[in-house]
Amino acid sequence: KAGVTQTPRYLIKTRGQQVTLSCSPISGHRSVSWYQQTPGQGLQFLFEYFSETQRNKGNFPGRFSGRQFSNSRSEMNVSTLELGDSALYLCASTTRPSGGNEQFFGPGTRLTVL
Amino acid sequence: ILNVEQSPQSLHVQEGDSTNFTCSFPSSNFYALHWYRWETAKSPEALFVMTLNGDEKKKGRISATLNTKEGYSYLYIKGSQPEDSATYLCAFIVVAVSNFGNEKLTFGTGTRLTIIP
Repeated sequence: KAGVTQTPRYLIKTRGQQVTLSCSPISGHRSVSWYQQTPGQGLQFLFEYFSETQRNKGNFPGRFSGRQFSNSRSEMNVSTLELGDSALYLCASTTRPSGGNEQFFGPGTRLTVL
Repeated sequence: ILNVEQSPQSLHVQEGDSTNFTCSFPSSNFYALHWYRWETAKSPEALFVMTLNGDEKKKGRISATLNTKEGYSYLYIKGSQPEDSATYLCAFIVVAVSNFGNEKLTFGTGTRLTIIP
């Protein structure tokens, strides 16, 4: 069974631009969560999608948005990029939203904002 | 704001020695505690998901215990090997208060373990 895939793996953007990151979950997994990791910080929860609906959202500004498609693939978008948005963005999938299910992480997208 | 604390932040252990580290979390409305191992240049990988007070889980040389009443979990590694070098993350989740409640994993900053050959 293929694992979680994320594209692109690396991205360089400039301030003010926007970016879209993609995540394909493990086949059969319908829940996708997104996390941001910056140096010195733990994984910060961005949002979770299940069956094309956002179930939960972390404490991030409205510039961060996401969506999920009928095939469970998910995208996250960051508009008006700031230097502080430079981070590793991880997505994780699980069968359904439940704190009792382990999450399967993708390799991440490393975003650098110049 | 729900916080999870992990200690120590980093640890150097001689190959063959055993070690352990701690994850502390708020004990109220507890639902589950996760442990992940994150090796450099790889994705975080789940080790354990624990839900019951007093739970003990084991995977090879790695084991974990859970105390939900006092809000802590220990991760133990017996006979450390170089391949155990990684950052170990814990994350907890509280009981949802509604259909769209607090069901989100809150991660600690991790314990970075280095095994010295």
